[in-house]
Amino acid sequence: EAGVAQSPRYKIIEKRQSVAFWCNPISGHATLYWYQQILGQGPKLLIQFQNNGVVDDSQLPKDRFSAERLKGVDSTLKIQPAKLEDSAVYLCASSFGSLNYGYTFGSGTRLTVV
Amino acid sequence: KQEVTQIPAALSVPEGENLVLNCSFTDSAIYNLQWFRQDPGKGLTSLLLIQSSQREQTSGRLNASLDKSSGRSTLYIAASQPGDSATYLCAAVTGANNLFFGTGTRLTVIP
Repeated sequence: EAGVAQSPRYKIIEKRQSVAFWCNPISGHATLYWYQQILGQGPKLLIQFQNNGVVDDSQLPKDRFSAERLKGVDSTLKIQPAKLEDSAVYLCASSFGSLNYGYTFGSGTRLTVV
Repeated sequence: KQEVTQIPAALSVPEGENLVLNCSFTDSAIYNLQWFRQDPGKGLTSLLLIQSSQREQTSGRLNASLDKSSGRSTLYIAASQPGDSATYLCAAVTGANNLFFGTGTRLTVIP
């Protein structure tokens, strides 16, 4: 089966600019996650979708970050305006949504804000 | 809130050695625990998933154990190889189907 697709792989922007990341989960996976992984740390959940509804966005900095999952499939994560501390790898993951199944991660987008 | 800790932060071993990576979590009310591998500049690759009702899972040279009551999991790697060099992350899964990650153990296997 195809994996979780993410694009772009790398992005370099200046602070205060905007950026968007795209994720296509595994077909049939109802749950989609966006994680932020800062260098040297474990991934931190930003937002969780169940189909096209938000389950948890408690750690999403809503003043600058937004995410949507149209039609319960693809998802986009946007940052506007970016700050230096947003430099990180942004990982997308998907699962069937059942607690008995594992999670599949994409390769991530490495964002550098200069 | 679930806190996950991994010890050691980094580990360097000669090829062929057996090794153990440790993971501890503060809230024992987890549904399962998953171990991942992350190569530099790459995403996460799932290694093993242990359901809360299970004590261990095995895949090839890897064996993961889970003790919910004490809030611990270990990943045992037998006969380590240079290709095992990577960062290993454990993640505890809560009832909300969220993963809480540790900070990882960076493993280097020296040929």
